[in-house]
Amino acid sequence: ETGVTQSPTHLIKTRGQQVTLRCSSQSGHNTVSWYQQALGQGPQFIFQYYREEENGRGNFPPRFSGLQFPNYSSELNVNALELDDSALYLCASSLEGLADNEQFFGPGTRLTVL
Amino acid sequence: QQQVKQSPQSLIVQKGGIPIINCAYENTAFDYFPWYQQFPGKGPALLIAIRPDVSEKKEGRFTISFNKSAKQFSLHIMDSQPGDSATYFCAATPISSNTGKLIFGQGTTLQVKP
Repeated sequence: ETGVTQSPTHLIKTRGQQVTLRCSSQSGHNTVSWYQQALGQGPQFIFQYYREEENGRGNFPPRFSGLQFPNYSSELNVNALELDDSALYLCASSLEGLADNEQFFGPGTRLTVL
Repeated sequence: QQQVKQSPQSLIVQKGGIPIINCAYENTAFDYFPWYQQFPGKGPALLIAIRPDVSEKKEGRFTISFNKSAKQFSLHIMDSQPGDSATYFCAATPISSNTGKLIFGQGTTLQVKP
């Protein structure tokens, strides 16, 4: 059974640029959640995708958008990057989008915005 | 109302000690409380979780105590080992939301000295 994978591992961008982060969910999981983890902080929920539809969104502006594909992998897109977007971006996969189903996290993508 | 407050920020114990990490919440809609463990360079991994219909749950050396009236819950690590050195996050979510949106605490960095 393959775990949650994310790419790339690290990324450096400049302010104003756009970035796409990718996540492959664990085999059999149809739900992907994205979190932003600033240095020294807990993860903050960005949004969740369940069966290719957005299923809940946290307090993030519209320049944070996402997609889920038929194979349940997912992308996080961030437009007009700001310095404060520098963080570890985590995706987590789970079954059926239920709140009490275990979320399995990937290792994250470290984004640095200069 | 969406916050989960976690303390202490860091903790150092000797091997065999019992570190205790505390969390408090305000939103009475929260009814699922997981704890996650995160090692450097890795994503968080579920350690143990509790629902408010029980006051205590044990899994191996890890115990959650839950006080519904005080809206507080805590993690105890029995017979702590150097391998337990990691960052621990409490989290909370309302099961009825069906979004899997976890609200995380700020995290506690635990160091267990040999």
